[in-house]
Amino acid sequence: ETGVTQSPTHLIKTRGQQVTLRCSSQSGHNTVSWYQQALGQGPQFIFQYYREEENGRGNFPPRFSGLQFPNYSSELNVNALELDDSALYLCASSFIQLNNEQFFGPGTRLTVL
Amino acid sequence: RKEVEQDPGPFNVPEGATVAFNCTYSNSASQSFFWYRQDCRKEPKLLMSVYSSGNEDGRFTAQLNRASQYISLLIRDSKLSDSATYLCVVSWGPGYALNFGKGTSLLVTP
Repeated sequence: ETGVTQSPTHLIKTRGQQVTLRCSSQSGHNTVSWYQQALGQGPQFIFQYYREEENGRGNFPPRFSGLQFPNYSSELNVNALELDDSALYLCASSFIQLNNEQFFGPGTRLTVL
Repeated sequence: RKEVEQDPGPFNVPEGATVAFNCTYSNSASQSFFWYRQDCRKEPKLLMSVYSSGNEDGRFTAQLNRASQYISLLIRDSKLSDSATYLCVVSWGPGYALNFGKGTSLLVTP
């Protein structure tokens, strides 16, 4: 096991609602990255947090936002949910000064109806 | 053009077979290369990093050709437990995002 945990494991929301997903990183890691994985696709990078600041962002709209806390845990917030937001949301932790090996949590499966 | 492209798959092979997966990447500035394994409805797990000199971990061998921007993974003596999706991953380096291929599905049959 990687030591990265995510909650909740599953979530069902309706269009227009807002959702918050949570991630606790592996002990000793200082960076958290979030990915979205649609069915049949590889994970797509949403953003990364380091020292409580966004440290890179993929091609996702501003309604996807995040936070990193002093203990390196993180939240992903999605506003105004759309049907296409249905996916597995993966959190990955790493130690930024190393070789970029990232370790994934089990993910949160979000269904938007 | 996608940044990371993999063999479309799926690959169905008998136990004991040798199978090879290929991957190409478009950004020559990429510095870090990995193979991840993902079981159905689970998270990706790091299988191995890939180095220019090539590296081996038991039955698994990874190769990187920077000139051709090509990465490969060879699995020898396939086991039923090797059945999974294999994701080719490329990154600019520490602190940068991982760019995933779409994945190649492997099914090892008795």
